[in-house]
Amino acid sequence: DAGITQSPRHKVTETGTPVTLRCHQTENHRYMYWYRQDPGHGLRLIHYSYGVKDTDKGEVSDGYSVSRSKTEDFLLTLESATSSQTSVYFCAISALGEGEADTQYFGPGTRLTVL
Amino acid sequence: GIQVEQSPPDLILQEGANSTLRCNFSDSVNNLQWFHQNPWGQLINLFYIPSGTKQNGRLSATTVATERYSLLYISSSQTTDSGVYFCAVELDRGSTLGRLYFGRGTQLTVWP
Repeated sequence: DAGITQSPRHKVTETGTPVTLRCHQTENHRYMYWYRQDPGHGLRLIHYSYGVKDTDKGEVSDGYSVSRSKTEDFLLTLESATSSQTSVYFCAISALGEGEADTQYFGPGTRLTVL
Repeated sequence: GIQVEQSPPDLILQEGANSTLRCNFSDSVNNLQWFHQNPWGQLINLFYIPSGTKQNGRLSATTVATERYSLLYISSSQTTDSGVYFCAVELDRGSTLGRLYFGRGTQLTVWP
């Protein structure tokens, strides 16, 4: 299994509060991704990173920000959580550009509930 | 974006049966992956298959990129095959950044 952990695994918060989710990898891969999974939508890309301090938006980036100050950590922040951000959040990593196929490996997910 | 359609949305099988899952996509892609999400929510990569055919045990996959579809075959189904199967693609726009677009998945239930 790829060495990816996410924290916290579960969180309940209230509308308007800031929330930060952490993704940590031990594989030293350059590319990291945040997705959200909602019923009827599959997974949708929120933000991704292609190196330390290099990030870009995905399909559903409104209301989210990210930071990557170290290769191993990719943080997702909800500045002011809303009920529409209740979801399961997955982090993924990829060995893209390292001479391997672009296969993404996923973390265990974080279930976030915004009341 | 790109449209990724998976069929059927739901599939119920008896253990030992074979099945074919389909993924259609609306644009040229340079990356296609199949994932299995088990009943505990974990996403497992099954195949990286932008074109051609691959096999891994009872599972095999074929992608015909020119016709914009991919098929996942499961033979001799087992109860542990239950879960949701996702197809995900990346648009072919010259550069590869791993930005995947997912289909809505096929929910597979295998009964003993």
